Amino acid sequence: AQKITQTQPGMFVQEKEAVTLDCTYDTSDQSYGLFWYKQPSSGEMIFLIYQGSYDEQNATEGRYSLNFQKARKSANLVISASQLGDSAMYFCAMARDNTDKLIFGTGTRLQVFP
Amino acid sequence: DAMVIQNPRYQVTQFGKPVTLSCSQTLNHNVMYWYQQKSSQAPKLLFHYYDKDFNNEADTPDNFQSRRPNTSFCFLDIRSPGLGDAAMYLCATSGDSYYEQYFGPGTRLTVT
Repeated sequence: AQKITQTQPGMFVQEKEAVTLDCTYDTSDQSYGLFWYKQPSSGEMIFLIYQGSYDEQNATEGRYSLNFQKARKSANLVISASQLGDSAMYFCAMARDNTDKLIFGTGTRLQVFP
Repeated sequence: DAMVIQNPRYQVTQFGKPVTLSCSQTLNHNVMYWYQQKSSQAPKLLFHYYDKDFNNEADTPDNFQSRRPNTSFCFLDIRSPGLGDAAMYLCATSGDSYYEQYFGPGTRLTVT
């Protein structure tokens, strides 16, 4: 069975600093996708970044990068130069190849302070 | 510009009174999903449509039904809401690239 684990219920970071949100996963599939979503208090899930299991390079999207360590089954999100607007809930998720089902972790609440 | 629209944003219903939540999309995506997210929990997939093919998750209660009359619209029907069904209900869509899953703003359901 697939499982996503986020061990940090909450994180604090000062504005303009970098922060790493942890995510580990468990799967027996050879091909899968890893995702990070941001959920502000308004409730909408915002797609941030995607990493395919066969991608050799870590994914980057602007201030977001995914530190993918396949052997350790980890897919940590790094947010550089944090902004006050980054305060939100962050979910790590996984999907099997050839299916569309997303399995989410329990999330990490990030608070950015001035 | 809204791509996935959910109405209403907030819904209050009485215990046992049927309720319908709606989702529409302007992306022409062939897959539509319904997730349930209870307070402080991760979203959980209830079911999804691939075109007209309905795919129910094994642990989705029979109380939850869905309809997709056309590509653009998808409905979530809760036949007899219980207090435990109070949650945020998220609709999402995806096209050919399965990782491009777009979520709507959600409908927050309260059961009194």
